[in-house]
Amino acid sequence: AQSVAQPEDQVNVAEGNPLTVKCTYSVSGNPYLFWYVQYPNRGLQFLLKYITGDNLVKGSYGFEAEFNKSQTSFHLKKPSALVSDSALYFCAVRDRDGNTGFQKLVFGTGTRLLVSP
Amino acid sequence: GAGVSQSPSNKVTEKGKDVELRCDPISGHTALYWYRQSLGQGLEFLIYFQGNSAPDKSGLPSDRFSAERTGGSVSTLTIQRTQQEDSAVYLCASSLRAGITDTQYFGPGTRLTVL
Repeated sequence: AQSVAQPEDQVNVAEGNPLTVKCTYSVSGNPYLFWYVQYPNRGLQFLLKYITGDNLVKGSYGFEAEFNKSQTSFHLKKPSALVSDSALYFCAVRDRDGNTGFQKLVFGTGTRLLVSP
Repeated sequence: GAGVSQSPSNKVTEKGKDVELRCDPISGHTALYWYRQSLGQGLEFLIYFQGNSAPDKSGLPSDRFSAERTGGSVSTLTIQRTQQEDSAVYLCASSLRAGITDTQYFGPGTRLTVL
């Protein structure tokens, strides 16, 4: 089965500094990777996805993620953090059932990002 | 356009009662998913619909949980004889199709508290 790991429960960064939220994956076959963000008392909002092509994927709100096959990583990045970026971030991988072809998302445990003024 | 909507936003119930949670997917989306988010369990997949059929129910925690989808649109997740461990946020998502590249868009969730 496919899985992703988010090794950091929390990341602290000062406003204006670059931020990185880490994600590593374990898949058989091609990885299809996603990042979602969850603001307090809200559902998950889609940020970006990697399917194929360029290793640097650009998404919403100025976020981007770098797919690194050799390191099996898909870290989320932003050049300059905002206080409003403070939220819970989830990495996810598409898991496909070999028999049914059904695909679901398998999520990491989440990383809380705190951006201080 | 309108996103995925869920109702109620909050539900408090007593142990042993039945509850129904509703999801309205994005118009035109054929695939619909239910997930559960709870402390200590993270985000876990419950069930998936393609049209009105549910090819994969493997994530449903017990036979107290059931779900249906009618008209290829609205879905209802029913929990019978609720237990305290059912307390969680129940998230619904939809996607245009169920293909591997299709993005799932999530609703705001229903926070269920079982007393």
